[in-house]
Amino acid sequence: EIALNQSPDFQSVTPKEKVTITCRASQSIGTSLHWYQQKPDQSPKLLIKYASQSISGVPSRFSGSGSGTDFTLTINGLEAEDAATYYCHQSNTLPRTFGQGTKLEIK
Amino acid sequence: QVQLQESGPGLVKPSQTLSLNCTVSGGSIGSGDYHWSWIRQPAGKGLEWIGHIQTSGSTNYNPSLKSRVTISIDTSKNQFSLKLSSVTATDTAVYYCASNVAGPGTAHFDPWGRGTLVTVSS
Repeated sequence: EIALNQSPDFQSVTPKEKVTITCRASQSIGTSLHWYQQKPDQSPKLLIKYASQSISGVPSRFSGSGSGTDFTLTINGLEAEDAATYYCHQSNTLPRTFGQGTKLEIK
Repeated sequence: QVQLQESGPGLVKPSQTLSLNCTVSGGSIGSGDYHWSWIRQPAGKGLEWIGHIQTSGSTNYNPSLKSRVTISIDTSKNQFSLKLSSVTATDTAVYYCASNVAGPGTAHFDPWGRGTLVTVSS
């Protein structure tokens, strides 16, 4: 099973800040890494697929990068509505696995 | 645009079997090649993939739950289902159904259902 470790677990940030969340895989997964945003009492929403591919309807301030074992989700110009928990997910091998989540609090 | 909706009992007794359905709307579950997944999330915790079934009926399960899980598909009802046997309090969670197109470059989960809370308690 491929483990995904996200950092940080929690971050308190101010609007307009640049935020970086990292996801490290326990073995190489190419670019089979996806990012989701989950707000309280909602289901996860796809933000980025295959490490860096944008999703229609997702604001352009969200971007992703990385390959192999190290991946990054960047939010450029944080907005108040971005308060949520963010998860990475690998689809390289079964079982599918998720990172433990990174909770973003807006100051 | 395909939409998914979970349904089933919100309370299950310990040692019994949890049974949930996911109804697909906006498309036919039997057309195209998809993976239809179940994912769960205990309160305040992260996401755990339970398993999936392909349109063909082929299944894959998380080894951590494999001995207790059955996922099936009913094309006549446009539904797929989850059965989890011998439940304990640790199976209390929000259960989501989700899907992805089976094939290269399409393994991300989209869409997701809204989720349904299942509590295991006597």
